[in-house]
Amino acid sequence: SQTIHQWPATLVQPVGSPLSLECTVEGTSNPNLYWYRQAAGRGLQLLFYSVGIGQISSEVPQNLSASRPQDRQFILSSKKLLLSDSGFYLCAWSVTTDTIYFGEGSWLTVV
Amino acid sequence: QKEVEQNSGPLSVPEGAIASLNCTYSDRGSQSFFWYRQYSGKSPELIMSIYSNGDKEDGRFTAQLNKASQYVSLLIRDSQPSDSATYLCAVASGGYNKLIFGAGTRLAVHP
Repeated sequence: SQTIHQWPATLVQPVGSPLSLECTVEGTSNPNLYWYRQAAGRGLQLLFYSVGIGQISSEVPQNLSASRPQDRQFILSSKKLLLSDSGFYLCAWSVTTDTIYFGEGSWLTVV
Repeated sequence: QKEVEQNSGPLSVPEGAIASLNCTYSDRGSQSFFWYRQYSGKSPELIMSIYSNGDKEDGRFTAQLNKASQYVSLLIRDSQPSDSATYLCAVASGGYNKLIFGAGTRLAVHP
């Protein structure tokens, strides 16, 4: 069966510091991968999606970037965090169906 | 801007009652629709998907879709306190299994 792992689970970072969140999927090949963000009390916003290694599409302009160095690895990064980057970050995957499945999520607080 | 709208709630129902959650969407071309449940502080988990007009039942859950009215709903029969959560409506839009989410409806089931 397929599983998705995301880390770290929580982190508190100062404004201006870098960020790296990592996600890996097991049990499937060539998945579509996604990064979503959920701000406090709000819905999920799609940040990036990837249909293959090195292929990244950005949905909204922002202070973040994404990379996919391996088929089942997806990384979310920032060079300098802003207060507005705080939120719950979710990695997700899908294959042949429209259904996407989420990882456990990462809580980011920028202080 | 493609949108998915939900009443934020809270929707409060007594234990054993039917909870009715509603969602409207703006993209007439959407073909796939999903309901996720999100407990506080956790990642969303898939409850049901629906692709055709009409009803789809799975245990205590029934999803209803009306593409002409651009309306999706979720009925929860025999509501239990463990159903208390935020319910997210999601619509596939723009290919690559990208989902647009509503802000969610908070459901509270009281004993």
